[in-house]
Amino acid sequence: EPEVTQTPSHQVTQMGQEVILRCVPISNHLYFYWYRQILGQKVEFLVSFYNNEISEKSEIFDDQFSVERPDGSNFTLKIRSTKLEDSAMYFCALRDRGYEQYFGPGTRLTVT
Amino acid sequence: AQTVTQSQPEMSVQEAETVTLSCTYDTSESDYYLFWYKQPPSRQMILVIRQEAYKQQNATENRFSVNFQKAAKSFSLKISDSQLGDAAMYFCAYRSIQGAQKLVFGQGTRLTINP
Repeated sequence: EPEVTQTPSHQVTQMGQEVILRCVPISNHLYFYWYRQILGQKVEFLVSFYNNEISEKSEIFDDQFSVERPDGSNFTLKIRSTKLEDSAMYFCALRDRGYEQYFGPGTRLTVT
Repeated sequence: AQTVTQSQPEMSVQEAETVTLSCTYDTSESDYYLFWYKQPPSRQMILVIRQEAYKQQNATENRFSVNFQKAAKSFSLKISDSQLGDAAMYFCAYRSIQGAQKLVFGQGTRLTINP
């Protein structure tokens, strides 16, 4: 099973600030995903990334969000100007050609 | 668009007994995957079991098994011999074989195990 780490584990930021969440796969993978889970709610898809470009994004993933693999390994999610409603758990997930998506431990984002 | 519904916000079961969590989904596709994920208090998402829609045989993983009813679009999870460590949120999820193959989750069922 692929190992995935996410940094930071918890981020507290003020409204309007930019945050960058990082996903660090131990080995190379084909497909990358970001999901969000607001406390007490279901997990929601944000964006998928394949072959160094976005393959699909949800309505949540507006112009405030961006993703990239800056060094070919780390996979980042940037929120340019955070809002209170961005407070949530953010999960990175990876997939190869198989069935499963392997989730990272998540980053808890708190916007004050 | 596909949707997943879990109609039981909370369930409880006595330790060592069996519990079934319900999940229904809506899709126009004929081939897809279904999953159950467990989310303990740490909030890590842990894959419990998966089912390929083209397989008629229900998937099993140790104490976990599913009842997949394709025509009814139903995908329930049965946990046998419940253990205290099974206490968690359980999410049912759908994945298309087309496109980005993102996961579509249900609202979750919080399972409590009573000692």
